[in-house]
Amino acid sequence: AQSVTQLDSQVPVFEEAPVELRCNYSSSVSVYLFWYVQYPNQGLQLLLKYLSGSTLVESINGFEAEFNKSQTSFHLRKPSVHISDTAEYFCASLAGGTSYGKLTFGQGTILTVHP
Amino acid sequence: NAGVTQTPKFQVLKTGQSMTLQCAQDMNHNSMYWYRQDPGMGLRLIYYSASEGTTDKGEVPNGYNVSRLNKREFSLRLESAAPSQTSVYFCASRVSEAFFGQGTRLTVV
Repeated sequence: AQSVTQLDSQVPVFEEAPVELRCNYSSSVSVYLFWYVQYPNQGLQLLLKYLSGSTLVESINGFEAEFNKSQTSFHLRKPSVHISDTAEYFCASLAGGTSYGKLTFGQGTILTVHP
Repeated sequence: NAGVTQTPKFQVLKTGQSMTLQCAQDMNHNSMYWYRQDPGMGLRLIYYSASEGTTDKGEVPNGYNVSRLNKREFSLRLESAAPSQTSVYFCASRVSEAFFGQGTRLTVV
């Protein structure tokens, strides 16, 4: 069975500082990995994904994540955060094919960016 | 360009009452999902439908039923609501790059 663990429930950081949100997964089969972001009172939006190919994936707003198979990790990083990055972030895994199956989510990490 | 639409957005029920949460998607996706979100627990899968005409249990199906009415619509029913079902419910479509609705905030008193 799949499981996803987000190692920090809350991460406070000052504006323009770097941030890392940690995610570990467990799966005995090939896995696809995702980061979703949830702004207050909204649904989840896909931030970035790893399906295959390059292990470093990027989003359009400056976040990046690296798939590390040996450490079973998919940590999310941003070199300089903005106030608008304040949100809850969810790591998720999908085992099997990309056209079927079920997403398994981590517990979420609340990122709070202070001025 | 609505994406995934959920109704209602808010609901308060008394213990023992029943209700149906509606979900519709206009993106012609085969798979649809119902999740519940509780603080500190992430999203947990209640039921899913891999394609029209099929439904399967997820991680927390007890107390819920679903209907995949057609390719567009996937409803979630609470037959006898309990306080433990107080949560935010999300419908989603397509398993990879999932599209989520805005959520239904349900309170059972």
